[in-house]
Amino acid sequence: AQSVTQLDSHVSVSEGTPVLLRCNYSSSYSPSLFWYVQHPNKGLQLLLKYTSAATLVKGINGFEAEFKKSETSFHLTKPSAHMSDAAEYFCVVSDHGEDTGRRALTFGSGTRLQVQP
Amino acid sequence: NAGVTQTPKFQVLKTGQSMTLQCAQDMNHEYMSWYRQDPGMGLRLIHYSVGAGITDQGEVPNGYNVSRSTTEDFPLRLLSAAPSQTSVYFCASSPGGHEQFFGPGTRLTVL
Repeated sequence: AQSVTQLDSHVSVSEGTPVLLRCNYSSSYSPSLFWYVQHPNKGLQLLLKYTSAATLVKGINGFEAEFKKSETSFHLTKPSAHMSDAAEYFCVVSDHGEDTGRRALTFGSGTRLQVQP
Repeated sequence: NAGVTQTPKFQVLKTGQSMTLQCAQDMNHEYMSWYRQDPGMGLRLIHYSVGAGITDQGEVPNGYNVSRSTTEDFPLRLLSAAPSQTSVYFCASSPGGHEQFFGPGTRLTVL
């Protein structure tokens, strides 16, 4: 079984300051990990993904995440927050069912990022 | 490419009514999934399909049916709507790897 824990349900930062959104996971397999962003009343957009290549993954809009196997973490960071970054962020682990060929995602409960002017 | 499309965008049902949420993709992806999103719970998998003619249950399948007669379409049927099914529903497709592409969602209210 796999699971994802997002350690903060809400994070508030000032514009221009760093962003850190924390995620821990558990997985029976070598995981694929993702961060998705959801702006209000919108669908989900992929920010970045880790699929067993480089442990530091760069995504869109200046975000990056580091896969740390020893800590089972995949925290999302950005050096300088922008007002447009205000959204909900989901850490996601991929499920790969060896017997069923299942491809599905397990979502964390989300972190709402607020950016103050 | 239109990507993943969903209709309708909004729907209000009365308890006991049935309806079908439509999902289509034009990327020739084998894998398609339905999720529901509820406040504070992220997205939860309802049903998924690994190809035309093959479907299986996800985490929260009760009250929902699916079928996959073509690669492009993956409709979700609510057999007898209940207030607990009030949610936002997302359809997603994947080319066979792990990355999934999401539709814009359907906001469903059951009175």
